[in-house]
Amino acid sequence: SQQGEEDPQALSIQEGENATMNCSYKTSINNLQWYRQNSGRGLVHLILIRSNEREKHSGRLRVTLDTSKKSSSLLITASRAADTASYFCATTAGETSYDKVIFGPGTSLSVIP
Amino acid sequence: DARVTQTPRHKVTEMGQEVTMRCQPILGHNTVFWYRQTMMQGLELLAYFRNRAPLDDSGMPKDRFSAEMPDATLATLKIQPSEPRDSAVYFCASGFLVEGRVAKNIQYFGAGTRLSVL
Repeated sequence: SQQGEEDPQALSIQEGENATMNCSYKTSINNLQWYRQNSGRGLVHLILIRSNEREKHSGRLRVTLDTSKKSSSLLITASRAADTASYFCATTAGETSYDKVIFGPGTSLSVIP
Repeated sequence: DARVTQTPRHKVTEMGQEVTMRCQPILGHNTVFWYRQTMMQGLELLAYFRNRAPLDDSGMPKDRFSAEMPDATLATLKIQPSEPRDSAVYFCASGFLVEGRVAKNIQYFGAGTRLSVL
């Protein structure tokens, strides 16, 4: 089964609102990453949070990690139409194969102008 | 502007034909990944290479798929013979990963090859 699973599967919000996506995973990790995929494009790395970190910021992005609950959340503040995309969390498969990354099924975000 | 280049961008072929997809990783990257993306299965890891050596191809159907890195600037994914169920978008990604360190294992993706097998 997949390591990471995002929730919700789809999210529709108005421009200017905040968008929150969640990711749950099953096994221990070294780090967790979030990627964005615009329609018809490849994935683009957004942010990486290590297992010993609890929160990280990058511009309008805020990521939290709760290793006790095996979950992470991605918050996009003051959303824009250009944020419309699919968002994927990605985790390592295990502590010994740290470079093998497993992607979740993604959250499809629609930001309505 | 360093980027992963994939060719072709689109491929339409008939069942039974051989398909070859190519990927030029970012210069200096030592790890190359092949993924397949479909609506039903999402993003699946097919195979990956470190310093041109295959590390894991457990996600790849062995009977018809093969992946190689003839040199550091070229990775190929071949399907022979192709089947309609192979229709998907195939992504190549590259990264620079250091053995033995907690990874900053960021991957850089190409734009993908959209394959349609009729």
